[in-house]
Amino acid sequence: GENVEQHPSTLSVQEGDSAVIKCTYSDSASNYFPWYKQELGKRPQLIIDIRSNVGEKKDQRIAVTLNKTAKHFSLHITETQPEDSAVYFCADNTDKLIFGTGTRLQVFP
Amino acid sequence: NAGVMQNPRHLVRRRGQEARLRCSPMKGHSHVYWYRQLPEEGLKFMVYLQKENIIDESGMPKERFSAEFPKEGPSILRIQQVVRGDSAAYFCASSPGLISYEQYFGPGTRLTVT
Repeated sequence: GENVEQHPSTLSVQEGDSAVIKCTYSDSASNYFPWYKQELGKRPQLIIDIRSNVGEKKDQRIAVTLNKTAKHFSLHITETQPEDSAVYFCADNTDKLIFGTGTRLQVFP
Repeated sequence: NAGVMQNPRHLVRRRGQEARLRCSPMKGHSHVYWYRQLPEEGLKFMVYLQKENIIDESGMPKERFSAEFPKEGPSILRIQQVVRGDSAAYFCASSPGLISYEQYFGPGTRLTVT
């Protein structure tokens, strides 16, 4: 069945460092891979996404890479700031979102 | 352009009562999805609806849970005879359709069963 694995489950970095979160999916039909940021008590917010015809996409300090052969995709946050602290979820999407288990990112000033 | 709206934001029910959760999609969006998030856990897909049709309900518990998206009005997630294990945040998301995959989430309804 459909499954998305996400690592690490927690990640602590110093302000200004980079953070990388990795996901692996199982459904070969998946062709759209969004990343969501969820702050405590808030809704998930779409921060970046990538489609299967692209290997990398960047938006300011956030980038996502996709390796369809290996069924891996990763979120890269550079120059982290304390306001980046949140839980990040990867997902894959055929007709519905299948979410990873989440990564709690803490950025220490 | 208002975002996805959900109400109520907080709902308290006693065991055995019914819970009704409402979701109004973004303007122009005809696809609605419901997800459940248990405390300290991730989001789990429940059901995917288009107007008057259930497209995929593979994540819905077999009993007590139902969903609808009528021709007029919001989508409704209904939980009958609630139990403590139903306590969770229920998020609705909407999408313009299969051509555009982005799903945008509402603020959620936090259900507490006492």
